[in-house]
Amino acid sequence: GENVEQHPSTLSVQEGDSAVIKCTYSDSASNYFPWYKQELGKRPQLIIDIRSNVGEKKDQRIAVTLNKTAKHFSLHITETQPEDSAVYFCAASNGYALNFGKGTSLLVTP
Amino acid sequence: DGGITQSPKYLFRKEGQNVTLSCEQNLNHDAMYWYRQDPGQGLRLIYYSQIVNDFQKGDIAEGYSVSREKKESFPLTVTSAQKNPTAFYLCASSDRQGNQPQHFGDGTRLSIL
Repeated sequence: GENVEQHPSTLSVQEGDSAVIKCTYSDSASNYFPWYKQELGKRPQLIIDIRSNVGEKKDQRIAVTLNKTAKHFSLHITETQPEDSAVYFCAASNGYALNFGKGTSLLVTP
Repeated sequence: DGGITQSPKYLFRKEGQNVTLSCEQNLNHDAMYWYRQDPGQGLRLIYYSQIVNDFQKGDIAEGYSVSREKKESFPLTVTSAQKNPTAFYLCASSDRQGNQPQHFGDGTRLSIL
């Protein structure tokens, strides 16, 4: 089955800096890659997603890149703010179910 | 996102007891999912259902059971066979199975008495 690896597990940045989270996947048939943000004790919320026919997608301060050949995708957050502090999960789907990475705990310090 | 309602928010289980977690959605989604979340483990798939009266095991189905008698409802039973049930349980739904955005409920935190 699909195996999704996510790095780093924790990330601390200063407000205004950029943050990058990377994920790799094993199943070359995977074609959908969402990113979720989860604040403590709350539900995961979709922040951005990308499909395999696209190499990059941007939404304001958030961008995701996908390299299908290397089977990795990344989340980029620019101009980070304290409210970006949360756990971020990547996931990959081959059309049957989402397989999640173990999460990255992002801390943005003022 | 008020489209998916999980209840209760907190649940306590005694030894040898089965407990049922409720999940209801009013998004008219075909597919529904149950995940278990443990610290540092991400989300692991327990069961999923594509349509009414059909469901499939996920990666960690042992000790759990589900039913899908109605499109809007997908309850999860944690049986006494699940020896380590303490976790945060999340229900999700999507328009179609697999490569579609999943919308999550607020979760149920289950603990052992």
